[in-house]
Amino acid sequence: SAVISQKPSRDICQRGTSLTIQCQVDSQVTMMFWYRQQPGQSLTLIATANQGSEATYESGFVIDKFPISRPNLTFSTLTVSNMSPEDSSIYLCSVGQADYEQYFGPGTRLTVT
Amino acid sequence: LAKTTQPISMDSYEGQEVNITCSHNNIATNDYITWYQQFPSQGPRFIIQGYKTKVTNEVASLFIPADRKSSTLSLPRVSLSDTAVYYCLVGDKNNAGNMLTFGGGTRLMVKP
Repeated sequence: SAVISQKPSRDICQRGTSLTIQCQVDSQVTMMFWYRQQPGQSLTLIATANQGSEATYESGFVIDKFPISRPNLTFSTLTVSNMSPEDSSIYLCSVGQADYEQYFGPGTRLTVT
Repeated sequence: LAKTTQPISMDSYEGQEVNITCSHNNIATNDYITWYQQFPSQGPRFIIQGYKTKVTNEVASLFIPADRKSSTLSLPRVSLSDTAVYYCLVGDKNNAGNMLTFGGGTRLMVKP
């Protein structure tokens, strides 16, 4: 299984600002995904990070709010733009193996004040 | 798209076997069943995946009846450290779709 790290592990940000979350994998992977998990809730898929092309966003998530980069097969970033308190959540990246078995990073806990 | 239904929560005691059932009445022919475990403040961890009958690994067993409309995750002799949320996902391995869709999960509390 892949080892995934995320930076930062947590942050407290002011509304109206932006935060970029980094996801690093210890091996090359084809599939990378970004999720959001609000306190006590299940995970919601934000987008699939595609290497060399624009990310594929799920319904309710847009590129202007959550721009994603995927410059290579081991790294991706998610930016949460123009933040509001409603964006307070845990953001998780994951990688998918051949059978869509997913391996998750430890998450980034974001609090917007 | 196959929808899954799980109990919201379950309680158990150390040393007991725990069985968590997931209903997926409209599972498609090509769909697989995958279970994840999530501890507090961590990302989900893949536990087991199966298509039919029984699958066993070092962590758990997965029982799938012939009609595949449900599945049961079995955790033998649970300990306090098995307290977690367990998610059942159903989807086609060849399409991201439901393989990436997490339902509500089952919150398992193991008591001493």
